[in-house]
Amino acid sequence: SQQGEEDPQALSIQEGENATMNCSYKTSINNLQWYRQNSGRGLVHLILIRSNEREKHSGRLRVTLDTSKKSSSLLITASRAADTASYFCATAVHNYGQNFVFGPGTRLSVLP
Amino acid sequence: DTGVSQDPRHKITKRGQNVTFRCDPISEHNRLYWYRQTLGQGPEFLTYFQNEAQLEKSRLLSDRFSAERPKGSFSTLEIQRTEQGDSAMYLCASSPKPSQGNEQFFGPGTRLTVL
Repeated sequence: SQQGEEDPQALSIQEGENATMNCSYKTSINNLQWYRQNSGRGLVHLILIRSNEREKHSGRLRVTLDTSKKSSSLLITASRAADTASYFCATAVHNYGQNFVFGPGTRLSVLP
Repeated sequence: DTGVSQDPRHKITKRGQNVTFRCDPISEHNRLYWYRQTLGQGPEFLTYFQNEAQLEKSRLLSDRFSAERPKGSFSTLEIQRTEQGDSAMYLCASSPKPSQGNEQFFGPGTRLTVL
């Protein structure tokens, strides 16, 4: 089973609205990262949050991490059509070295 | 060097044939990863190199799969006796030393179709 699970699986919003995606994981982590993947292309790193951090911002992105609930959320504010993509969370698991585990992703559609 | 490159971008092969993919990481990155991704799923970790040493290997990786990074620069992933279930996108990623960050930089992938 996957370490990370994103929720929802798919999300459709209008341009200008905010989009929130959630990620839950199962074991202790060193850090959690969010990636974006446009259709048929490689993944692009968005943001990394360490296990001792609770919130992080980068431009229109806001990530939170709740280690007690083993969950993270990614908020994209003022969404644009170009934000249409799949979004994945990835966790670096304690004692697993460099074995990064990705969730199945949230497919975001931003309608103009 | 503009990023991670992978070759070929697409590969169609018949069941039972061997295929080899190449990944060229960002030149100063000492960590290199291979992942497999099927439609609608996230990438699945296959293996990890630090310089030329293969330090981690997923249990998903059957003995038909082998990866090398002989000089600590480019890497190859070979699949022997391909099966239809091997059809997927194979992604390579690289990272700098841990002290320089844990972000992974992904290549565009090699899409394998096994007929």
